[in-house]
Amino acid sequence: DAKTTQPTSMDCAEGRAANLPCNHSTISGNEYVYWYRQIHSQGPQYIIHGLKNNETNEMASLIITEDRKSSTLILPHATLRDTAVYYCIVRVARNSGNTPLVFGKGTRLSVIA
Amino acid sequence: DGGITQSPKYLFRKEGQNVTLSCEQNLNHDAMYWYRQDPGQGLRLIYYSQIVNDFQKGDIAEGYSVSREKKESFPLTVTSAQKNPTAFYLCASSIDWTVGSYNSPLHFGNGTRLTVT
Repeated sequence: DAKTTQPTSMDCAEGRAANLPCNHSTISGNEYVYWYRQIHSQGPQYIIHGLKNNETNEMASLIITEDRKSSTLILPHATLRDTAVYYCIVRVARNSGNTPLVFGKGTRLSVIA
Repeated sequence: DGGITQSPKYLFRKEGQNVTLSCEQNLNHDAMYWYRQDPGQGLRLIYYSQIVNDFQKGDIAEGYSVSREKKESFPLTVTSAQKNPTAFYLCASSIDWTVGSYNSPLHFGNGTRLTVT
């Protein structure tokens, strides 16, 4: 099963871009990279996901390296409301079929005024 | 608005009592999940259900039970056999479970914080 490695915590100044890295060196060719975030005492919120190409939506951009061994989530203009724990997840696939997402400890992003 | 509703937000029980946590979704999703979160930790999967009347154990199913009699509902019972039941419980759903459907993100409720004393 592919695992992910993320820094425990990061700080970002309000208004600046927040770049959150994720290492997934054992990712398989058909596994997606998902990003979720969890604001304190709430359920996680889906942000974005991708397979090979870079992706962008209204919340963030996802940059996946060509070898797919790492990715970066970019919040282009961080606000105080972006303070949360960010989870990078690789979808685990087993022979019996799909299995649910596995959440690690994530990166705690603190946006500072 | 469509979404997932977990109730209650806070729940207190005495040790030795069973307690049932509610999870309802109106998203018409086939798949539903229960996760547990302890302070400073990631989420751990308790049970999941691919479709009505079917469910599978996750990584930490011992001491828990579920049912999936309706598509909209996936209640979780924390039994007295669960040794450390105090935790934050999160319910989620996704559109489907079809093989190869790596494209199906999870939608989460806002959780139930259970305290057992």
